[in-house]
Amino acid sequence: AQTVTQSQPEMSVQEAETVTLSCTYDTSENNYYLFWYKQPPSRQMILVIRQEAYKQQNATENRFSVNFQKAAKSFSLKISDSQLGDTAMYFCAFMKFNDYKLSFGAGTTVTVRA
Amino acid sequence: GAVVSQHPSRVICKSGTSVKIECRSLDFQATTMFWYRQFPKQSLMLMATSNEGSKATYEQGVEKDKFLINHASLTLSTLTVTSAHPEDSSFYICSASDGTSGQETQYFGPGTRLLVL
Repeated sequence: AQTVTQSQPEMSVQEAETVTLSCTYDTSENNYYLFWYKQPPSRQMILVIRQEAYKQQNATENRFSVNFQKAAKSFSLKISDSQLGDTAMYFCAFMKFNDYKLSFGAGTTVTVRA
Repeated sequence: GAVVSQHPSRVICKSGTSVKIECRSLDFQATTMFWYRQFPKQSLMLMATSNEGSKATYEQGVEKDKFLINHASLTLSTLTVTSAHPEDSSFYICSASDGTSGQETQYFGPGTRLLVL
């Protein structure tokens, strides 16, 4: 079974500044997917970014970028130029190739301060 | 983007009754749907995987006779909580995979809050 660990229960960041969320995972698989999902107070899960393990290049989506270190089994999320609307719980998730089941970490609550 | 709806958004029921939650993919065909449970301030736990036209696959520890899943069409999956008890109170979320854009991408519904009195 895959384990996803998010070691930061809560993070606070000033508006317009940068925050980095950590995520590590444990797997014996070589091919897999990694995701960051956002869950705002509305509780609607929103895909922020995804990374295929076979790709060395780190994924980027506008202000969101990841630092994928396959050997270290680390997948951190950087939120640049934080906005008030970024306030949410962020979940790191793992999916084995061809399995399609998501394993979620415990989540990190991010609060953006005005 | 792909949209997934859930109905109802919240439901209150008496202990011992059954509750049905619907999950619909509105603008795509979902060959696979997933059901999750989320307790307050906790992560999502996968309950079962639902494939159209076949029996659902339940995760370890999830009672299949208590949480009945039916995936009768490519756009609809239902979760029925049978003989609900207060400990079943939770937030239930479904997701669906669009086979054309890759089954690794899951689109989530807005969730259903169940309160059993």
